[in-house]
Amino acid sequence: AQSVAQPEDQVNVAEGNPLTVKCTYSVSGNPYLFWYVQYPNRGLQFLLKYITGDNLVKGSYGFEAEFNKSQTSFHLKKPSALVSDSALYFCAVRDGGSWGKLQFGAGTQVVVTP
Amino acid sequence: KAGVTQTPRYLIKTRGQQVTLSCSPISGHRSVSWYQQTPGQGLQFLFEYFSETQRNKGNFPGRFSGRQFSNSRSEMNVSTLELGDSALYLCASSLGDRGLAETQYFGPGTRLLVL
Repeated sequence: AQSVAQPEDQVNVAEGNPLTVKCTYSVSGNPYLFWYVQYPNRGLQFLLKYITGDNLVKGSYGFEAEFNKSQTSFHLKKPSALVSDSALYFCAVRDGGSWGKLQFGAGTQVVVTP
Repeated sequence: KAGVTQTPRYLIKTRGQQVTLSCSPISGHRSVSWYQQTPGQGLQFLFEYFSETQRNKGNFPGRFSGRQFSNSRSEMNVSTLELGDSALYLCASSLGDRGLAETQYFGPGTRLLVL
């Protein structure tokens, strides 16, 4: 079965510093990986996805993610964090051959301090 | 385009009651998926509908059911509510025919509290 792991419950970063949120995956076959962000009392907002091709994927709001096949990782990055980036971030993998189903990680709370 | 809408946004029910949640997908999207989000279990897949047919189902008891209408709007129903059903229920829509790379777009969710 496909799965993702987010090893950090919380990431603290000062505004203006680089932000990294870690995700590792386990899949059989080709990975289809996604990042979503959730603000309080809101649904999930799509940030970016990896299908195939370039290992560096650019997404919304200045976020990007680096796919590393040898390390089975798909870390989310932002060069300069904003206070407004404080939210809950989820990594997800498409469950291969399973319509609709996304398998989510546990989530990482990002706190950006001024 | 309007995003995914879910109604109601908040619900309070008592144990043993039943509840129906509604989801309207993005125009042109024919797939609707439902997820349950709780602090303890995280985000868990309930089921997915495409063209009025359930294509996939997660590991939830039969008390959880859903359906999809010809206009792609979907409802999910939970019967005989239990305290553990208190959660944020999220609906996601997608085109439904683009395979595994397809992106799901989520609604704001319905927060259900069971007392």
